[in-house]
Amino acid sequence: AQSVTQPDIHITVSEGASLELRCNYSYGATPYLFWYVQSPGQGLQLLLKYFSGDTLVQGIKGFEAEFKRSQSSFNLRKPSVHWSDAAEYFCAVAPGRGNEKLTFGTGTRLTIIP
Amino acid sequence: SAVISQKPSRDICQRGTSLTIQCQVDSQVTMMFWYRQQPGQSLTLIATANQGSEATYESGFVIDKFPISRPNLTFSTLTVSNMSPEDSSIYLCSVWTGLGYTFGSGTRLTVV
Repeated sequence: AQSVTQPDIHITVSEGASLELRCNYSYGATPYLFWYVQSPGQGLQLLLKYFSGDTLVQGIKGFEAEFKRSQSSFNLRKPSVHWSDAAEYFCAVAPGRGNEKLTFGTGTRLTIIP
Repeated sequence: SAVISQKPSRDICQRGTSLTIQCQVDSQVTMMFWYRQQPGQSLTLIATANQGSEATYESGFVIDKFPISRPNLTFSTLTVSNMSPEDSSIYLCSVWTGLGYTFGSGTRLTVV
């Protein structure tokens, strides 16, 4: 069974600073990997996904993530955060076939300070 | 990609009662997934609903508490039965579109 670890429960960064949110997964084969964002009281929004190919994927809102098979990681990055990026971020993994259950990490809450 | 209409968007219910949540998809899908998000927590899969067969429940979730119907390839319901305050959560449905997973907007349930 697949699992996801987000080791950082809460991260605080200054506006304009760079950001990296960590995600490690456990799955026996090549998974499908996702990052979602959830603002307070809002639904889930997909930031980016990795299925195959180029291990550096670009997403919406200036986010990117890098798949590193050797480290079983899929870390999310942004070079310069904006106050509007404050939200909860979830990493998720699914078997690399699709149409099967998506397993979520526990989430990382991002706080932005002026 | 698919669009999911989920309703109700929120409800406040008395303990001991039941609430049925509906998800309508604008295209045919084989699997529908139901998740629960407890306050301040991540999403946990309740069950997977495949049209024409019984839903498959995850450990810790049982059919008597969360009965699911899947009458066709575009519709599913999840019922939260005999509710207690511990059932206060956001419930979401999701489908695989071939390009990723689409989620409904969620049902915010408060049990008083």
